[in-house]
Amino acid sequence: KQEVTQIPAALSVPEGENLVLNCSFTDSAIYNLQWFRQDPGKGLTSLLLIQSSQREQTSGRLNASLDKSSGRSTLYIAASQPGDSATYLCAVRNDYKLSFGAGTTVTVRA
Amino acid sequence: NAGVMQNPRHLVRRRGQEARLRCSPMKGHSHVYWYRQLPEEGLKFMVYLQKENIIDESGMPKERFSAEFPKEGPSILRIQQVVRGDSAAYFCASSRTGQGYEGTEAFFGQGTRLTVV
Repeated sequence: KQEVTQIPAALSVPEGENLVLNCSFTDSAIYNLQWFRQDPGKGLTSLLLIQSSQREQTSGRLNASLDKSSGRSTLYIAASQPGDSATYLCAVRNDYKLSFGAGTTVTVRA
Repeated sequence: NAGVMQNPRHLVRRRGQEARLRCSPMKGHSHVYWYRQLPEEGLKFMVYLQKENIIDESGMPKERFSAEFPKEGPSILRIQQVVRGDSAAYFCASSRTGQGYEGTEAFFGQGTRLTVV
């Protein structure tokens, strides 16, 4: 059974600081890994998808790395802004099923 | 191109009533998934459907819960005789590809927040 852990559970930083969010998973036989953003009371917005054969993926200020053999992924957010405040979820795909971490709640202080 | 549409966004039911949650996948997507997010917990897989077929319902409680994805119309998650423990956010996701394809990417709806009183 796939177990996904996200550390830290919460993070508070001043505006402009870089963010580093960690995700680990127990079963390395994954198809891909997605990072999502969830705002309070809202749905999930897909940020980045990394295929199992890829090492990293970038979109704007976001960069995600994947080390499948060690079961780790890291999401980097450069030059954080108050609008980045949200909960970030890591999800790994084994065939069609996504297993989610509990999330990291980020607060960026103005 | 509309995203995954779920309705209603909020649903209040009394204990013992039935709850029906609807999900219209993105255009061109034939794979639908339902996930549940209990308060203070992560999202958990419930069921995976393709048109007219249930592929995997291993995450769905055996009693009171059922799901369908008919040939025409939205996918429906049905909860009979709701109890307080069913209060949660229910998310639907859809994808163009599904089982066996590594590049599958899921797109999620806004969720239905069910409150049982």
